[in-house]
Amino acid sequence: GAVVSQHPSRVICKSGTSVKIECRSLDFQATTMFWYRQFPKQSLMLMATSNEGSKATYEQGVEKDKFLINHASLTLSTLTVTSAHPEDSSFYICSAYTGTSGYNEQFFGPGTRLTVL
Amino acid sequence: GQNIDQPTEMTATEGAIVQINCTYQTSGFNGLFWYQQHAGEAPTFLSYNVLDGLEEKGRFSSFLSRSKGYSYLLLKELQMKDSASYLCAVMDSNYQLIWGAGTKLIIKP
Repeated sequence: GAVVSQHPSRVICKSGTSVKIECRSLDFQATTMFWYRQFPKQSLMLMATSNEGSKATYEQGVEKDKFLINHASLTLSTLTVTSAHPEDSSFYICSAYTGTSGYNEQFFGPGTRLTVL
Repeated sequence: GQNIDQPTEMTATEGAIVQINCTYQTSGFNGLFWYQQHAGEAPTFLSYNVLDGLEEKGRFSSFLSRSKGYSYLLLKELQMKDSASYLCAVMDSNYQLIWGAGTKLIIKP
């Protein structure tokens, strides 16, 4: 099956620093990648949709200058949380969509737990 | 607006059967997904329904009625490892997933 990796799995940083999270599709080319955020005991919240070679589409309420997304290739998308603050602490999950699966399935990475002190 | 409703929490006994319901109102419909999510982990795919009816996969089955905007996930022969949150998600006309808040399933011995 399709495998998506995320790195790092956990990160702890000081307030004001920037953190980069990588999302890679390991055995397929992802035409589209999605970035989600999930707070404790809540469902996934879509932050942005990223297509290779074009600008990401951000959901309402998500600051594009704070959450920088770069989809440089068909196998890699990165999310950079700039000037992180404690309220940015969350579980960040990426998913990749091949566009060829008969199920229209999104394949999820294992997630990144961000803690901002 | 778009809306997915599912119960917040359910409790069942090991070895029994449980049905988790999901109702939805979305802009367009390109399929309904059920995902399982253990605490601290990403969701894992369980099932996909795009046509009305029942899809069976081992101990898990999923049902869809598009006219009623309704789906359920049926788990049989419950095991302790089935304790998790179960997320219902609908793919809308823009091929984006609209997520329910999830149902936390607690399995008791």
